[in-house]
Amino acid sequence: SQQGEEDPQALSIQEGENATMNCSYKTSINNLQWYRQNSGRGLVHLILIRSNEREKHSGRLRVTLDTSKKSSSLLITASRAADTASYFCATLGYGEWNFNKFYFGSGTKLNVKP
Amino acid sequence: DAGITQSPRYKITETGRQVTLMCHQTWSHSYMFWYRQDLGHGLRLIYYSAAADITDKGEVPDGYVVSRSKTENFPLTLESATRSQTSVYFCASSAGQRDGYTFGSGTRLTVV
Repeated sequence: SQQGEEDPQALSIQEGENATMNCSYKTSINNLQWYRQNSGRGLVHLILIRSNEREKHSGRLRVTLDTSKKSSSLLITASRAADTASYFCATLGYGEWNFNKFYFGSGTKLNVKP
Repeated sequence: DAGITQSPRYKITETGRQVTLMCHQTWSHSYMFWYRQDLGHGLRLIYYSAAADITDKGEVPDGYVVSRSKTENFPLTLESATRSQTSVYFCASSAGQRDGYTFGSGTRLTVV
């Protein structure tokens, strides 16, 4: 399976601390995406990183991709209570122009305590 | 308003009834998707569409029907609802296969 798996499953930190979530996958990918889901809401697209990129930034978010280790990490710096949500990685297999091959992981539930 | 909207937000229906979940997007995105989200199973693709009048099955299509007569609409119909179809349903759209997805707010469906 191409499916990405997030680690840890749950993370609890204090406001102001950094939060790091990891995603591992099994086969070569075209791109990897991170999404956030607030309780009871739809997923929100955060960042897309392509297989030839190693790092991307967006505001307080930093995503890295290590294709040799088949892993990615999402770092949220200076976390806020509003960052409390579940975070999912999603991968599209290399050469797989088929949406059946776009897999979401099971997510990391982040709790930021004020 | 620009965006992707789903309706209804909540729905309770009885076993055996037909129910249709609506999805409308205003970006003219080519691709649209229906996912269901269940505890223990994560997000699973039901059906997707690459353009008007082009649809294809996802991972869990049984018991569902879709249509896409217009680019902006992608309704999902449960032909004869079963309790196992109790779930949260998300519609999403994307401009292309290399782009991120935009999700609707979801429809929480309960089949009793």
